[in-house]
This record gives sequence, C-alpha cells and structure tokens, in this order.
Amino acid sequence: GQNIDQPTEMTATEGAIVQINCTYQTSGFNGLFWYQQHAGEAPTFLSYNVLDGLEEKGRFSSFLSRSKGYSYLLLKELQMKDSASYLCAVPYGGATNKLIFGTGTLLAVQP
Amino acid sequence: DGGITQSPKYLFRKEGQNVTLSCEQNLNHDAMYWYRQDPGQGLRLIYYSQIVNDFQKGDIAEGYSVSREKKESFPLTVTSAQKNPTAFYLCASSQIGRTSTYTQYFGPGTRLTVL
Repeated sequence: GQNIDQPTEMTATEGAIVQINCTYQTSGFNGLFWYQQHAGEAPTFLSYNVLDGLEEKGRFSSFLSRSKGYSYLLLKELQMKDSASYLCAVPYGGATNKLIFGTGTLLAVQP
Repeated sequence: DGGITQSPKYLFRKEGQNVTLSCEQNLNHDAMYWYRQDPGQGLRLIYYSQIVNDFQKGDIAEGYSVSREKKESFPLTVTSAQKNPTAFYLCASSQIGRTSTYTQYFGPGTRLTVL
C-alpha cells in the first residue's frame, strides 16, 4: 500500500531556513511531488523529484533519497508569504497518474 | 490564459438536496480528477477520468457521481446519499502517459457547506 508522513506543523522566523520532511512507502516508486497551499486556496506545484539528490529552484529546493523513502523541501530566506501548508504526494496506480497526498505541513513564518 | 476554473467558489445547500460542482479546463489535458479536502486531512480522491465518456471511482466515491461528456469538462454531483458533504472540493487535470508521471494542476476549489 501507500503511506506518507509529514510533520503537522512547523514554525520558523522570517529570513531563516526551514526544512520540511516527508517519508513515504509506496509500491513501484514513480517520483515525488511537493505542492504549496495557502489557506482557502488551491495547491500549486512546487517540485517533482524522480532521481536521488537535490534540485534547486530559487529559494526552494527539494531533496529525494529513494533508498530511504525520504524527501525534504528546503525553504531559504523565508518570507511572510511562505506561511502555507506544504503537501507531499506520490503517484500510484501506474499510468492512471493518481496521487496520494500526505496531510500537509502547516508552516507559520514569524517576524 | 490556460487554466482550470471551478464554480461557484462558495456553495450552500440544504440537507437532502443534490448539488453539482462545475470544473472546466482549457489546458487540453486528457485526465481530470476530483478531490475532497477536510481539515487536518490530506486530499482524498473521489473520481478520476482519463478519457471522454470514461471515469473511475477513487478512494471515497460513495455519495458522488460524475460525467465526462467533453474533454474540457468534468462536473461532480454531490448527492443526498453523501453523509458528510461539507468540505473543500478541488478539481485537477493533467496529461497522461504510459511511461511518465505528469504534474496535476488544480482549480481554485469550491467550498460546500450543508446547512
């Protein structure tokens, strides 16, 4: 079966760096997605990792270790607007492209 | 601009009534999905469709129905059989392929409240 774990909440300070972890169990690994979701809004795509290692996109980076079933999202130079939920998701069901989502990590950025 | 639209943004309904949520996309995506989001829970898949005139149940399909008569449209009906329909409903779409995984893109959502 599929299972995803993320911390429920995190707090960080403006200008700092924060790491949001995600562990997963899935049969037939086919990549891992990170989405950002502000309160009351739709999730927006941040990153997709299918190979091991770190991928950087501006202030946001995402890391994947397939052997450990582990990923993290790294946010640098935190801004108040980064306060949001961060959702980890993995595909399942082969060519159906279905996703299973974690419950999300609610990040609060404080001044 | 290409994107996914959902209407209405807020919807109120009385118990015992059916209600239909609209989802339209102009991204030319083959696949469309409906999710439900409740506080403290992840997104849960209700129905999905990979091609016109075909759709499949997701993990929590009971009390819901869908249709896919056009590639661009995937309306969701919340029936009176759904025991706890108050939730945030999200529609998504993506390309599909046998050998690749494609990103799902989401509409703005409809918040349904049953009074």
